This record gives sequence, C-alpha cells and structure tokens, in this order.
Amino acid sequence: EVQLVESGGGLVKPGGSLRLSCAASGFTFSNAWMSWVRQAPGKGLEWVGRIERKTDGGTTDYAAHVKGRFTISRDDSKNTLYLQMNSLKTEDTAVYYCTTLYYWGQGTLVTVSS
Amino acid sequence: DIQMTQSPSSLSASVGDRVTITCRASQGIRNDLGWYQQKPGKAPKRLIYAASNLQSGVPSRFSGSGSGTEFTLTISSLQPEDFATYYCLQHNSYPYSFGQGTKLEIK
Repeated sequence: EVQLVESGGGLVKPGGSLRLSCAASGFTFSNAWMSWVRQAPGKGLEWVGRIERKTDGGTTDYAAHVKGRFTISRDDSKNTLYLQMNSLKTEDTAVYYCTTLYYWGQGTLVTVSS
Repeated sequence: DIQMTQSPSSLSASVGDRVTITCRASQGIRNDLGWYQQKPGKAPKRLIYAASNLQSGVPSRFSGSGSGTEFTLTISSLQPEDFATYYCLQHNSYPYSFGQGTKLEIK
C-alpha cells in the first residue's frame, strides 16, 4: 500500500523557520518526481514546488511566492522528502501536502502567527 | 507563467444531472492536465490524467476532454458522492498551476 506521511507542521512566528518531512512507502521513491502543494484555510490548491528524481538531475522548481525562501530536498536512502521553509509569512499558513500528483499525503498544518 | 481559468466557480445540480466544468489555459499545454476531486478535510484525488485518461478505479461517469488551451471535465450522471470541489492542474511548464476550483453542491 502506498503511503505518504507528512510531519513537522505546527505554529511558528512570522520570520521563523520550519522543516516539513514526508515519509514515503509502498512505491519506488527514488524513481518519483515529488511535489509540495499547499491549501490555505478555505482556499484552493496552490503548487509550491517540485524535485526531480536524481537520475533526471534532481532539479528543483518553485512557485514565485516561495522562491528564495523555501527549499525542497530528498533523501532517497530514507525514502523521505523535505520542505525547508524560512522567512515565513502569515500568508504561508496552510495545509501542506506532499504528492507525486497521483499519490497524496494527508497533509500537515502550518500556522504562521504572532 | 501559465494561468488556468476554471469555470464555473460553483455549480448547483441534482442527482442524475450531467455537469461540465471547464479549464482554459493562458497558453497551449498540449494534454498536460489532470482533474482532481477534493472532499472537505481530505487530500485531493486524481480522476483524470493526460486530459482524457480515466484513472484506475474512477467511475466511468467521469470523463475528460480537450487539448491545447481548452479542457472539460464531464460527470454524466451525478451521484451523491460526487458533491465535492474539483480542480484542474497543468503540469506542462513551471510553475505548475491549478484552476481556482469548482464547488459542486446539491440543488
């Protein structure tokens, strides 16, 4: 059974940092291009960024509103995807999902508030 | 960046109705588009990939069509479990982008 399990969400002050993790199982993680997608409370889905599999170069791409503040990385030996979020703003408050665009995690809530 | 314009933003329909949701891309995206269903408090579920291919396990009342800049999701006969919010996603070029969503409600 495929599972994507996000963790690391919580309450953080504006300007702070947080690292989200996504533990994958049930499929060959190292072969997958992985994305992060977020959803602010009561709002629509918003693509955050993605990382290629290493054999395709492992390149990352980001949405404009997070570029320079967020970094996606992966550890294929641990079947884990990461999202390092720095300089957080109140508008980054959202549920963050990791996804292959087919498989999705359950999401983890990040709240940015003073 | 490619903008995805989804319409309508909300739709009221009855069980058994046929409904159509449209996404228009600001530039051509070939068939690099998926359709997703999301229910409250749940992760999205992909229904259609590559614009017109039904995901395994998804009921055949769902269908997708289109290529280039105009795409449609059709539900041929609404069932009670279909009342949800639907999104399109283009993955032709970065940054990927979702439509604004269509909330399908019971009339």
